[in-house]
Parts: sequence; C-alpha cells; structure tokens
Amino acid sequence: ILNVEQSPQSLHVQEGDSTNFTCSFPSSNFYALHWYRWETAKSPEALFVMTLNGDEKKKGRISATLNTKEGYSYLYIKGSQPEDSATYLCALRDNNAGNMLTFGGGTRLMVKP
Amino acid sequence: NAGVTQTPKFQVLKTGQSMTLQCAQDMNHNSMYWYRQDPGMGLRLIYYSASEGTTDKGEVPNGYNVSRLNKREFSLRLESAAPSQTSVYFCASRGQGFNYGYTFGSGTRLTVV
Repeated sequence: ILNVEQSPQSLHVQEGDSTNFTCSFPSSNFYALHWYRWETAKSPEALFVMTLNGDEKKKGRISATLNTKEGYSYLYIKGSQPEDSATYLCALRDNNAGNMLTFGGGTRLMVKP
Repeated sequence: NAGVTQTPKFQVLKTGQSMTLQCAQDMNHNSMYWYRQDPGMGLRLIYYSASEGTTDKGEVPNGYNVSRLNKREFSLRLESAAPSQTSVYFCASRGQGFNYGYTFGSGTRLTVV
C-alpha cells in the first residue's frame, strides 16, 4: 500500500488570497501523479495528470508542479474565489497493472467571501 | 451526456442483506474501478478491472465481489452486508494513454443498519 500524504488537511482563506497545498508520495516506481477537485455532493473531477519531473500544468487560476525525485507536488490557486471551495485530492499511480491510483486524504479548501 | 452512471444513489440495508451496485460507462474505457470513501480515510480501492474479462483486488476487497459484465458495465456486490460497509461508493473509469484522469460516477451512499 503506497503512502500518499496531503497537507494541510483543511484550509480557510479569504476571497482573493492565493494559496497552495502539498502532496507527498514515495518517489520509487513513480508513473504519474493526478490532481482532482471534489465539490461537496458531487463526484471528483480530474484537474491534472502529471508524468515528468519538473512538469508544470495550468488551468485558469489553478496550477501544479511536480518533483518526482524528492516525491512531492504542489497545487497553487491564485486569487481564490468562493467557487474554488472544494476538497483537492492527489493520487499516485506507480508501475502496476490496471492503472490503479492511490489517493491521499485530500485538502479541504474553504474560501470566505 | 457521456460519463459514468451509478445506481442506486442511496440505499439502506439491514445487516446480512445482499445487494449489487451497478456501474456503466459509455466512453469505451478499458479500465474500471470501485472505491469507497469514509470520513478521514480518503478514497480506498476495493476492486478494479483493467480490461473486459479481468478483475483484481484492491486495498479493501473483503466482503465484496465484482463482475465485469462487458466493457461498459462493472458491478459491485455485497453478499452479506455489515455495518462496517456503511460508506459512499464511487465507480470510476479510465481511458488509455498517459494523460487521462479518472471519470467518476456520482456515488452511492450506502447505510447498513
């Protein structure tokens, strides 16, 4: 069982603040790192799939970086808005069959207007 | 709309009863997965199917069985429900290629009393 850790567990920010979260994972047998956004009462939605060390991905105000050698990924949100309130999940795929992902516990973000 | 369809959305069972959770995807994805989500535990993999005709255990398979009926459908069966199986269950699927994330169904909230 892989150990994928996310920090912090929860975060309260004011509208307009920029914020970031961390995903830590074992760097051996790395294959891909996924980020998902999960709004309450909905299902998780894919944000990014990152595969290469040094990868940087961006979607609107959200971006992510990847360091496979040291085993971490950062997710950044610039100028947080109330609609960004959600749980952000990272998940690791290692070199196994079936494209299995091991999920971290998530970071719950709450943006106050 | 294309996606992953799960039924039912809600279910209450008595201890010892059996039921099957249904999942179907119309995206021609090869891989399908069943996860459970419990407070403070994140998403944990129950079973997965890398392709039609194959199924494998995930992290928490005890008390469950699965069937990959065809490429579209992947069902999860609880033979004798226990209170410990009270959870929210998510089905997901994934296409081939490095940059595909999972597509999740809307979830089934199961309570075993």
